[in-house]
Amino acid sequence: GAGVSQSPSNKVTEKGKDVELRCDPISGHTALYWYRQSLGQGLEFLIYFQGNSAPDKSGLPSDRFSAERTGGSVSTLTIQRTQQEDSAVYLCASSQNRGRANEQFFGPGTRLTVL
Amino acid sequence: AQTVTQSQPEMSVQEAETVTLSCTYDTSESDYYLFWYKQPPSRQMILVIRQEAYKQQNATENRFSVNFQKAAKSFSLKISDSQLGDAAMYFCASTNNAGKSTFGDGTTLTVKP
Repeated sequence: GAGVSQSPSNKVTEKGKDVELRCDPISGHTALYWYRQSLGQGLEFLIYFQGNSAPDKSGLPSDRFSAERTGGSVSTLTIQRTQQEDSAVYLCASSQNRGRANEQFFGPGTRLTVL
Repeated sequence: AQTVTQSQPEMSVQEAETVTLSCTYDTSESDYYLFWYKQPPSRQMILVIRQEAYKQQNATENRFSVNFQKAAKSFSLKISDSQLGDAAMYFCASTNNAGKSTFGDGTTLTVKP
């Protein structure tokens, strides 16, 4: 079966440009998570969705970052006016629901490079 | 709030030997789950093993087992009979009732033939 997919796999952009990163979760998974992973580092929580609502946006680093989810499926993470420190791998994960016991299934990530 | 600490940035093990990866955590939650995830080089993160905090019995999945010490807030991962395919970055994570997960910084495991 299809897993979590993310696009693009790589994105190179110039400082100051806006970027959109897309995540397609596993069909039927109601919970969706976004993380940021800097080179060789752990995962930094950004935001998660239960259905289309985002009960916890506490991890978004600044107001340049926003995310939405439509139809309880696809999610888009938007970074406005990108900065060099935004360079990282952005990982998306989904789970059946947001309960504590649920395994998260991760996508392959989008590697963002801001020049 | 949750914090997860992995104090070993890198570990190495000889093929067929046993290795233990350390993890300590702190949480204000009364119930939570703990996870170990594996991230092979250039591949997606996958679940290795999970443990419910209310269960005293340590979880086991084939060659992978945990040593869960709730009072000490310790959750180590033991890999027995290490194989070359076990080489990866391993992340410890804590998940609270709301489903929010906090990950450690990871331990890179090298397996020597």
